[in-house]
Amino acid sequence: NAGVTQTPKFQVLKTGQSMTLQCAQDMNHEYMSWYRQDPGMGLRLIHYSVGAGITDQGEVPNGYNVSRSTTEDFPLRLLSAAPSQTSVYFCASSYLVTGGVPYEQYFGPGTRLTVT
Amino acid sequence: AQSVAQPEDQVNVAEGNPLTVKCTYSVSGNPYLFWYVQYPNRGLQFLLKYITGDNLVKGSYGFEAEFNKSQTSFHLKKPSALVSDSALYFCAVRDRLTGGGNKLTFGTGTQLKVEL
Repeated sequence: NAGVTQTPKFQVLKTGQSMTLQCAQDMNHEYMSWYRQDPGMGLRLIHYSVGAGITDQGEVPNGYNVSRSTTEDFPLRLLSAAPSQTSVYFCASSYLVTGGVPYEQYFGPGTRLTVT
Repeated sequence: AQSVAQPEDQVNVAEGNPLTVKCTYSVSGNPYLFWYVQYPNRGLQFLLKYITGDNLVKGSYGFEAEFNKSQTSFHLKKPSALVSDSALYFCAVRDRLTGGGNKLTFGTGTQLKVEL
């Protein structure tokens, strides 16, 4: 049971380049999400998904796209990288809320992205 | 809208002493509350959560948290700190009325440093 995996661990991009951050989980979780972590700002939600084929925007979605074609995978695409997207990106997954009660989320190890 | 405040960027405590990491929240209804911990270069790990019932919640590694509805607080505590507790701690909240799967709002984090 690998949990939540993310690739790559590190990435350097030039302004304007595009790339995809990969996220996969093997726990059959319906809910998956992407956060970015910046100093002094905590974690901010970028996009989330409640199941295959269903995605929605979080707090800071601009400049990012997601898709969810399978339960296991939830890639995050940067369309045209900007220096403001320099950050650490975390993917997380959990079971969906049941009876109104939320489950704890499991986080991947993160991807450290630098845009120059 | 839901929000979380962690008023201290850093908390320093001597090993063996009790520790408290503060968290206050704002939601329109009743909250679900969480604490997560992040060790260097790692993803977040779940510590404990408050759903309902007893205001004192016990979690992993000897941590506990006290829910206080009148003060809208959910402070993290441990009776005797260890050097290995040194890490970044995040409080998170979810309003019971919020849709959108398992969306959480995180605080900005508190760096705990436990010294010998």
